[in-house]
Amino acid sequence: TQLLEQSPQFLSIQEGENLTVYCNSSSVFSSLQWYRQEPGEGPVLLVTVVTGGEVKKLKRLTFQFGDARKDSSLHITAAQPGDTGLYLCAGSEIQGAQKLVFGQGTRLTINP
Amino acid sequence: DAGITQSPRHKVTETGTPVTLRCHQTENHRYMYWYRQDPGHGLRLIHYSYGVKDTDKGEVSDGYSVSRSKTEDFLLTLESATSSQTSVYFCAIRGSNQPQHFGDGTRLSIL
Repeated sequence: TQLLEQSPQFLSIQEGENLTVYCNSSSVFSSLQWYRQEPGEGPVLLVTVVTGGEVKKLKRLTFQFGDARKDSSLHITAAQPGDTGLYLCAGSEIQGAQKLVFGQGTRLTINP
Repeated sequence: DAGITQSPRHKVTETGTPVTLRCHQTENHRYMYWYRQDPGHGLRLIHYSYGVKDTDKGEVSDGYSVSRSKTEDFLLTLESATSSQTSVYFCAIRGSNQPQHFGDGTRLSIL
């Protein structure tokens, strides 16, 4: 069974600070997705990383896929209250129906 | 969200009763998935479908069955609901070479 360990599970910081969320596994994934989820809604895709070592930027968010495609990180620069939410990483299997394995999630709170 | 609708959005029922959740899509996507979300576990795959009448088990399939008689609908059934199945259930759809797109969930409480 593939597992994804996401850390930290809870993070509360002040506006303007930087933060990093980690997603680690002993398994290799064909791709890794990062989602953001608001209360009462489903997860919304932020980014997909496919290639080992790949870095993608989405405004103040930087996503990196590990060289061995077993881990990933999400870095937020100068966090803002609007970044508050639940962040989920999910790894996709290499073949077939591309079933997703999710990390436990990181509940991020940015205080004004 | 556009393209995917889950019903009902909320349901409260009693232990031992059957429950069916519906996922409806208007995108004509081949793949459909059912997940449950519980605190500390993220989302876990229950069952998925890769075409009409083609389904397979996920990580936490015990106590659940699914059916897909047409492309647009994927049903999740709890034959005899238990309190451990209290959760938020999400449906997702996926087209070929596309990421999964999620519905807004069904909050199910089993008393």
